[in-house]
Amino acid sequence: QKEVEQNSGPLSVPEGAIASLNCTYSDRVSQSFFWYRQYSGKSPELIMSIYSNGDKEDGRFTAQLNKASQYVSLLIRDSQPSDSATYLCAVFKGGYQKVTFGTGTKLQVIP
Amino acid sequence: KAGVTQTPRYLIKTRGQQVTLSCSPISGHRSVSWYQQTPGQGLQFLFEYFSETQRNKGNFPGRFSGRQFSNSRSEMNVSTLELGDSALYLCASSLVWDPGHSGANVLTFGAGSRLTVL
Repeated sequence: QKEVEQNSGPLSVPEGAIASLNCTYSDRVSQSFFWYRQYSGKSPELIMSIYSNGDKEDGRFTAQLNKASQYVSLLIRDSQPSDSATYLCAVFKGGYQKVTFGTGTKLQVIP
Repeated sequence: KAGVTQTPRYLIKTRGQQVTLSCSPISGHRSVSWYQQTPGQGLQFLFEYFSETQRNKGNFPGRFSGRQFSNSRSEMNVSTLELGDSALYLCASSLVWDPGHSGANVLTFGAGSRLTVL
């Protein structure tokens, strides 16, 4: 079982719709959770971090964390073509542990 | 504020050669992590350095090594290159790697060094 799992996609949504990206993780001791966006040919950039159960909103982005179900999600409202990218879920267990990444979900926003 | 700087950006090597990649973290960041990214495997953790000490190491062969200098700059070296080492090598720095600051391990990535092994 992979430590962090994501559906590779592609996930296609029409412009203006809500894109929903999901991620599950295997280790219950995980403490911090991140969503990174990576455009083709570029390096990952952080878009959201979440540390406690519930929702965290930042502009058009909402991260959701459910530690009991070991599930993290990212919602993108009013999706734009510029949101087309690969979204990487990352998990940190704390201490001296590494940050582990999922393989990413490719999102395509269709104009 | 300058970001994470990686050099070189692109390089082509042949099998059996070795390569050294460099990473300068954001000023004040003491932790530097290295990742290998390939289309099939995604981001794979190589190692992490904090205050010149390797604190964590991924599941890579001994041909992959690294170090960190007193100014927090880091280098990684790959010896006896194989075709499968072709990848994007990403360096990321973070403000602090401290057991008491779980939220502080937010990684900022450099642009990467794209290595092609022929």
